[in-house]
Amino acid sequence: DIQMTQSPSSLSASVGDRVTITCRASQGINNNLAWFQQKPGKAPKSLIYAASSLQSGVPSKFSGSGSGTDFTLTISSLQPEDFATYYCQQYKIYPITFGQGTRLEIK
Amino acid sequence: EVQVVESGGGLVQPGGSLRLSCAASGFTFSDHYMDWVRQAPGKGLEWVGRIRKKANSYTTEYAASVKGRFTISRDDSKNSLYLQMNSLKTEDTAVYYCVRVGSKCDLDHWGQGTLVTVSS
Repeated sequence: DIQMTQSPSSLSASVGDRVTITCRASQGINNNLAWFQQKPGKAPKSLIYAASSLQSGVPSKFSGSGSGTDFTLTISSLQPEDFATYYCQQYKIYPITFGQGTRLEIK
Repeated sequence: EVQVVESGGGLVQPGGSLRLSCAASGFTFSDHYMDWVRQAPGKGLEWVGRIRKKANSYTTEYAASVKGRFTISRDDSKNSLYLQMNSLKTEDTAVYYCVRVGSKCDLDHWGQGTLVTVSS
């Protein structure tokens, strides 16, 4: 199975900050990577697919990059509604696997 | 509006069975692969499995942790997805999400989830 490792596991930031979350795959996955946002008690929400393509309706403050094994999610100008847990996911090879999550908290 | 709504969760004893359903609306259900993803309390996301569409012979894929115990099926005439769970274990306790797979193989629409608790 492909292991997805996110860093950091948790992150404290302030409103207005720009943050970057990293996701590393244990083997190359081309650009078959997605990012999700999950708020407490809610279902995950798709943000980005194909490493850098924004889902419809997702604000451009979210951006993704990377290919192969190393990927990043950047969130600019943090707002209170952005504080949540973020997951990466590979869909290159079955079984589909997720990263362990990065909890973004308000400083 | 795309909607997927799960139902059928509840409390079941270890070794028991449960069938989850997912009702889809707002899109052409038969055109899409569909997935189940679960999340144990306080834990991360775990992919459970996938069913492809008719053009791909409704073939399925499963996570190793559920293979041989869980079965995914669909009824395109009812716009419905199912997850039959047998030989349930305490570690199967989780919120189970029904997820639409988009045209780019992305998990683009998620249901609100249904809680399955396996306990004696």
